[in-house]
Amino acid sequence: AQRVTQPEKLLSVFKGAPVELKCNYSYSGSPELFWYVQYSRQRLQLLLRHISRESIKGFTADLNKGETSFHLKKPFAQEEDSAMYYCALADQAGTALIFGKGTTLSVSS
Amino acid sequence: NAGVTQTPKFQVLKTGQSMTLQCAQDMNHNSMYWYRQDPGMGLRLIYYSASEGTTDKGEVPNGYNVSRLNKREFSLRLESAAPSQTSVYFCASKSEGEKLFFGSGTQLSVL
Repeated sequence: AQRVTQPEKLLSVFKGAPVELKCNYSYSGSPELFWYVQYSRQRLQLLLRHISRESIKGFTADLNKGETSFHLKKPFAQEEDSAMYYCALADQAGTALIFGKGTTLSVSS
Repeated sequence: NAGVTQTPKFQVLKTGQSMTLQCAQDMNHNSMYWYRQDPGMGLRLIYYSASEGTTDKGEVPNGYNVSRLNKREFSLRLESAAPSQTSVYFCASKSEGEKLFFGSGTQLSVL
């Protein structure tokens, strides 16, 4: 079964500290993975996708097929990074996205 | 270019009432989706439409119906609302191989 697991409901860090938001997936074949972010009172938006291998707002994520993980990382957290983060997996047909339960990141000074 | 537009933004219903959530996109996307967002449950797919004229069930379709009226519009109907359907509903759309674009959400309370 296709599944996305985000084990942490809440991650609290201080400004300037490193951040790692965990995401594990279950999928047979080559997965297509995404991170979406929802800032307060804003709509969900794409943060990054693994096939583009880009860095957005200082965030990166590497697909590790051996560990079936796609953790989101940032070396130095900023207060404006506080938001809800969702890891998502494209289904076998590539039609729909399956989302994890989300992790709330709280960055305080 | 408005993107994905949902109406209404807020709605309060009594148990047993019916209502339709409207969604429209102006990006010429083939695929459209309805998700619900609940605390601790994340985003769960209710129904989707891969192309005009087709609809498919997602993870939590019970209690809902959808209509893909045309390429632009995809509505979600609650025939007999229940308190368990209290949630924030998001419509989204995308083209093949592209990212999902989300609407701003509808906050629904069923009393």
